[in-house]
Parts: sequence; C-alpha cells; structure tokens
Amino acid sequence: DARVTQTPRHKVTEMGQEVTMRCQPILGHNTVFWYRQTMMQGLELLAYFRNRAPLDDSGMPKDRFSAEMPDATLATLKIQPSEPRDSAVYFCASGGAGDLSYEQYFGPGTRLTVT
Amino acid sequence: AQKVTQAQTEISVVEKEDVTLDCVYETRDTTYYLFWYKQPPSGELVFLIRRNSFDEQNEISGRYSWNFQKSTSSFNFTITASQVVDSAVYFCALSGNSGYALNFGKGTSLLVTP
Repeated sequence: DARVTQTPRHKVTEMGQEVTMRCQPILGHNTVFWYRQTMMQGLELLAYFRNRAPLDDSGMPKDRFSAEMPDATLATLKIQPSEPRDSAVYFCASGGAGDLSYEQYFGPGTRLTVT
Repeated sequence: AQKVTQAQTEISVVEKEDVTLDCVYETRDTTYYLFWYKQPPSGELVFLIRRNSFDEQNEISGRYSWNFQKSTSSFNFTITASQVVDSAVYFCALSGNSGYALNFGKGTSLLVTP
C-alpha cells in the first residue's frame, strides 16, 4: 500500500529555532507539493516540484522558508527562524507523471507548534 | 483567478439521512479538474474523486455520488444513507491550466449522529 510519509508527525519548538520537515513521496511519483493548513487560512499551497525542480514557490514566505528535493525520495521544508504564526499542519502530497499529477495523495501531515 | 466556495460551514444530520455538500467554483481556464477530499478527525486528507471539465457525467461510488454541472459551476457531493463514520471535514478543490496545484475551498464539517 503506497503512501506518502512525513516526519516528524508533531514538532514543538521555540520561536527562533530552525524547523525541518521531511517527506517521502510515493515511489514513482514525480510531482511533490507542500501545503499548509491553518484555521484562519484553510489549506494553502506553499510550493511544488516536478522531477525535483521547483515549479512554484510563490506561496512561501521567502525570507524564512525554503523547500528542496535533494533526491527523488526526499523533499524537505525548512523554516528558519520559526515564528508563532508558523504554527500549522504542514502536508506533503505527491502525484504521478503527466495528467496523473492532478491526482494528489497526501501524507499524514506534520503538526508544528511554535511557542 | 481560481476560487472554490463551500457555503456550508457545518452540517449535522442523523444517521441514515442523505446529505448534499455544495461546491461552487470560479475559473477562467477551459480545462480544469475538480476534486473532493475527506479529512476525518485523525487529520489525514483522503482523495475521493477527480473530475475533469470535459466530463459532466455524474458519478456514483457506493453511497457517494457527485453531480457536476458546468452551467452553474457546481460540483456537489451527496452521501446517501449517511453513517457515523462519514463524520469529517470535506474539501472541494480546483486545479487548472496554470499548474497542478490545488485551490481548496474552506471545507464543510459534517457531523453524523446515531
């Protein structure tokens, strides 16, 4: 049963600390997305990659957030320095090639709390 | 710009009732995709259906059915004979020509009571 995995599932950190979230997409999927869910904003896109190249990161605060795909099996989202307003659930999703990129499968999310 | 509106914030029904979740979308794209996702209390997002803009056939999967009407820009979701396990937040989403990213509605929280 292929699934997207995310680590850690929960993270509590203090303001100013660096946070790294990791995602392993479904094997064979070449499109990876990062979304953030908050009560106020709902689900919003932060960035996405195709074949490890960033295609759109316009939803990401550039000064503190960065997203990378070091290889096809790992995507990372970093926040440095973290702020209380970054508290949210961060979801990674992956999609297949071509038209199948539209069908996205989500990981369980990382619940981040910044105090 | 793309927009998805789920006007129903919360719905409460008694088990075995039928319930329809509304979704209205806006897009200038000629080709687009519509989706429904389920988010149960455990928090994960579960893919339910994808429909492309050229296929207006309604779809039925077990107790779930979807009604896509381009004339009214709506993609409504009906659960027949609801069950307690259907309690969740349901999201409608849209993706278009500009890329694969999903634009989500705010979600409808469905509570099914015994």
